[in-house]
Amino acid sequence: ETGVTQTPRHLVMGMTNKKSLKCEQHLGHNAMYWYKQSAKKPLELMFVYNFKEQTENNSVPSRFSPECPNSSHLFLHLHTLQPEDSALYLCASSQWGGPQETQYFGPGTRLLVL
Amino acid sequence: AQSVTQPDIHITVSEGASLELRCNYSYGATPYLFWYVQSPGQGLQLLLKYFSGDTLVQGIKGFEAEFKRSQSSFNLRKPSVHWSDAAEYFCAVVPLGNNNDMRFGAGTRLTVKP
Repeated sequence: ETGVTQTPRHLVMGMTNKKSLKCEQHLGHNAMYWYKQSAKKPLELMFVYNFKEQTENNSVPSRFSPECPNSSHLFLHLHTLQPEDSALYLCASSQWGGPQETQYFGPGTRLLVL
Repeated sequence: AQSVTQPDIHITVSEGASLELRCNYSYGATPYLFWYVQSPGQGLQLLLKYFSGDTLVQGIKGFEAEFKRSQSSFNLRKPSVHWSDAAEYFCAVVPLGNNNDMRFGAGTRLTVKP
């Protein structure tokens, strides 16, 4: 596979469930990102990892827990979510080196919290 | 307040007509500027970016954008729209000094009439 892949593509979960989103990049990049895309709101950066180290956490609630075991994989662990967390969660990757490095996005995971 | 604004939520154009999507930013110093496109069920794809130099930037799929410092704008244009251009378009900025903090506009949805 090429590019950035995300699984699952769709997820429905209850507020008491625990689930994980997975992202994998096949581009040899060393930076990975999680974004949240809600209806009628701009895309929001959630987390940034550089060489497996978290460098950005934009005031994201603790019910979202990222994990980056290596530079090719990124997870977003979810627990006790709220209905307002329903959104499209996008993963991206890039070379670490500043904004001139293009971010490549995966297709996203559509999450519905009931 | 710092912001990136896309004034048009939804635009409809006829196939073959020209297109201009507006983007304005409000930052103390000119940020790095980007345009992304998102087709239904897909992640975001970079169309073009501007850092410095020639203010008219050529991108993929026949798109171009013009940076106008006096108007704090970075409008996206295409001389002749194709039905496959129907998608959501996002303007994004990376403020100077915040190399991984990409801020997105709310997006403009483009519908193409036959």
